[in-house]
Amino acid sequence: DAGVIQSPRHEVTEMGQEVTLRCKPISGHNSLFWYRQTMMRGLELLIYFNNNVPIDDSGMPEDRFSAKMPNASFSTLKIQPSEPRDSAVYFCASSLGLGSYNSPLHFGNGTRLTVT
Amino acid sequence: KNQVEQSPQSLIILEGKNCTLQCNYTVSPFSNLRWYKQDTGRGPVSLTIMTFSENTKSNGRYTATLDADTKQSSLHITASQLSDSASYICVVSLGSNSNSGYALNFGKGTSLLVTP
Repeated sequence: DAGVIQSPRHEVTEMGQEVTLRCKPISGHNSLFWYRQTMMRGLELLIYFNNNVPIDDSGMPEDRFSAKMPNASFSTLKIQPSEPRDSAVYFCASSLGLGSYNSPLHFGNGTRLTVT
Repeated sequence: KNQVEQSPQSLIILEGKNCTLQCNYTVSPFSNLRWYKQDTGRGPVSLTIMTFSENTKSNGRYTATLDADTKQSSLHITASQLSDSASYICVVSLGSNSNSGYALNFGKGTSLLVTP
């Protein structure tokens, strides 16, 4: 199993540009999570999907952020327009269920976003 | 307010020495507690998980303990190796009777550096 695959690994963009982060979850997992990690705040949940349906997007900072999961094997996180304060590492994770005892989160290796 | 507090924030130890990382939580109702290890530039990986009925759980040189009464957990690393240098994140899961739609509460992590 290749694990959770995220692309790109690094993204550098200018303020105001659109950024799209991509994630392929582990096959068979029915939950997908997008997290943002910074030194100051640690890991913060942005949004999660269950069976491709967005369940809770209350962690999405503002309307500039949007996420989609068109099918069980693909999800995107889009920032439009991007701002310097969006600079962080963005992680995608998948699991069976919502992080219960037998279903740990499996994280991708993240996308490091730098907005100049 | 973060319901999971970890200490110390960072730690430096010599190779071969033991160390203990702490996690205090106020999450209620409690379901389980998991420790993740995050290597630099990678996503977190689950090390151990414990429910309220499990006081201790080992994974090689890693031993986690849980006191559900005091709401404290520790992660003990024995005979540290250079490869133990990483961030260790404590994650507490809410019980199924919680009104929260999402169960996981993350600590900000302890950054461990093992030096030769």
